[in-house]
Amino acid sequence: SYELTQSPSVSVSPGQTASITCSGDKLGGTYASWYQQRPGQSPVLVIYQNTQRPPGIPERFSGSNSGNTATLTISGTQALDEADYYCQAWDSNTILFGGGTKLTVL
Amino acid sequence: QVQLVESGGGWVKPGGSLRLSCAASGFTFSDYYMSWVRQAPGKGLEWVSYISSTGNSIFYADSVKGRFTISRDNAKTSLYLQMNSLRVEDTAVYYCARFGRGYQSPLDYWGQGTLVTVSS
Repeated sequence: SYELTQSPSVSVSPGQTASITCSGDKLGGTYASWYQQRPGQSPVLVIYQNTQRPPGIPERFSGSNSGNTATLTISGTQALDEADYYCQAWDSNTILFGGGTKLTVL
Repeated sequence: QVQLVESGGGWVKPGGSLRLSCAASGFTFSDYYMSWVRQAPGKGLEWVSYISSTGNSIFYADSVKGRFTISRDNAKTSLYLQMNSLRVEDTAVYYCARFGRGYQSPLDYWGQGTLVTVSS
């Protein structure tokens, strides 16, 4: 299987736009999902099928997937968005996770 | 509402065994694929295993293949993970998670996790 690569950390000012990327050799040919994990909590699905938001996820969360890179974009970032974010994809019959990106809202 | 409640974690010596359980409620358990995902202290998420809705299809990560066994009891709406020959590197919070419906579905609901510590 291949690997999903994320930058370890991203910083953003409140109200600005944060972009978190996930790269992988076969990522463009599959769906990407994104999970938010706040400290001490379980992961929460925020984006699936590249661009879809589950019920209850704010509209400021959006996603894209092009070429070999999936991107999670948070518009108008708020302090409560500070968390670890993980991308995830399928590879044949296995589940892959990226290494995670720590989003800091300064 | 969907609830997934893990139990069975604890401390075990290397080479020992442990059985995790996940009690599901709030949805038709027998309709959904289920998975175990773990997270070592201070580390990222690692997929462990998943099982189809009927239990007929099962897959494991290479890191646990031959040592862990996933199973389910649809009558009891419960998911299990039997962990044998445990290693120090198996120390992690183990999450039970449900797959959504459809092709390449994501993990749409997660439990609160149960901590497994493997240490001498």
